[in-house]
Amino acid sequence: DTGVSQNPRHKITKRGQNVTFRCDPISEHNRLYWYRQTLGQGPEFLTYFQNEAQLEKSRLLSDRFSAERPKGSFSTLEIQRTEQGDSAMYLCASSHTPRGAIYNEQFFGPGTRLTVL
Amino acid sequence: KNEVEQSPQNLTAQEGEFITINCSYSVGISALHWLQQHPGGGIVSLFMLSSGKKKHGRLIATINIQEKHSSLHITASHPRDSAVYICAVQRFQGGSEKLVFGKGTKLTVNP
Repeated sequence: DTGVSQNPRHKITKRGQNVTFRCDPISEHNRLYWYRQTLGQGPEFLTYFQNEAQLEKSRLLSDRFSAERPKGSFSTLEIQRTEQGDSAMYLCASSHTPRGAIYNEQFFGPGTRLTVL
Repeated sequence: KNEVEQSPQNLTAQEGEFITINCSYSVGISALHWLQQHPGGGIVSLFMLSSGKKKHGRLIATINIQEKHSSLHITASHPRDSAVYICAVQRFQGGSEKLVFGKGTKLTVNP
C-alpha cells in the first residue's frame, strides 16, 4: 500500500495520560499536514511541515500538543495531559507541492480516533 | 460565520435521483476541493478546481469564482454514493496551502 498510513487507528486513554500518533506520508511527498475533526464537523487545520521544518501551527494547537517530522519522512503528533475535549479524529495528509505552487492535492490517511475517558 | 458554508447539511435521495450539493465561501481562494468521507473516517479527494467545470464518471463539479460558489452534482445516484461530502478551500497564505473545510453534507441514497 503506497498511500498515507496512520497508527494507531484507535486510541482510548484516560484523562491526564500522554498519547502519540504516527503518520507515514506517501514517499517523496514534501508537505505533511495534521488536521483534527470532531463529530459532525469538518476537519480543522492543526499544523504542517515542509520536509522536516514545521512552518505553521494553528492556535488550536495548545502547548500540550507537539508535532515532529525529524527526517522529513514520517511525523508524530503528541498530546500531553490529555483532556476530554481532545477526543476527536486526527487526520494526516501529505502532498507533493512544487516550489511556487499555490494549491495542491492532499492525500489523506485513515485517521486516528482518540477517545479520552 | 464560517468561511465555507455547505448546503444542505443532510440529504436523502432515492436511487437514480440527480443530486446537487452546494458550497459557498467568503474568502479569496486559489483552489476549491470536493472530498468524500465514508464512515470510519477515510477521506478521498474527488475534485480540485480553480475554475470552470470537471467531470469524473457520474460526478460533476463546477465553480463560479466571481460568485464564490461551487456545486457538486451526482447523476444516477446509487446507494454506494452514501457518504459525507466535504467542500474545502485553499488559500495561498504564506505557502501553507492549508485546507479550510465546510461542515460536510451527509448523503444517504436509498435503494
